[in-house]
Amino acid sequence: AQSVAQPEDQVNVAEGNPLTVKCTYSVSGNPYLFWYVQYPNRGLQFLLKYITGDNLVKGSYGFEAEFNKSQTSFHLKKPSALVSDSALYFCAVSARYYGNNRLAFGKGNQVVVIP
Amino acid sequence: EADIYQTPRYLVIGTGKKITLECSQTMGHDKMYWYQQDPGMELHLIHYSYGVNSTEKGDLSSESTVSRIRTEHFPLTLESARPSHTSQYLCASSDGNSEKLFFGSGTQLSVL
Repeated sequence: AQSVAQPEDQVNVAEGNPLTVKCTYSVSGNPYLFWYVQYPNRGLQFLLKYITGDNLVKGSYGFEAEFNKSQTSFHLKKPSALVSDSALYFCAVSARYYGNNRLAFGKGNQVVVIP
Repeated sequence: EADIYQTPRYLVIGTGKKITLECSQTMGHDKMYWYQQDPGMELHLIHYSYGVNSTEKGDLSSESTVSRIRTEHFPLTLESARPSHTSQYLCASSDGNSEKLFFGSGTQLSVL
């Protein structure tokens, strides 16, 4: 079975400071890894994905994530947080042979960027 | 902005009622999904479809049923709602090539 752990319920960061949202995963074989963001009263929106290739992937709104196979992690990062980045962030994983058909999501991390 | 729509946005009903949650997408995507989400908990896949007349159960057992008669429409039905069905239901679709899911805004269901 595949699963994702997002250990922190809430991440607080001052505007302009670096933002990191942690994610570790468990899956059989090679993973597909994703980050999604949910703003209030909106559906989840795709941020970025890792399928293969370069371990550092860049996505929307200045976010990036680094795939670390030895630590089974896929932490989301942004060098300088904005107040508008305050939202709920979900990490997701799928075994490669499932593609995006059987994504397992974490419970989400609430990010609060303090002005 | 994703072209996937869920109605109603909020639904409060009594125990034993039959309900249908609607989900439609205008992107021509073959693959559609239903996820269930409780506050502070993971999203769980309860149903998915690869195309018309194709439906499969997801990782989380659910008493709900789905149908896929048209590409754009993927409704979810509960024949007899119970308080344990209280949750948020999220619909999503994908074209299968980009590995990206597009989500609707969700239906928050409360069964009294």
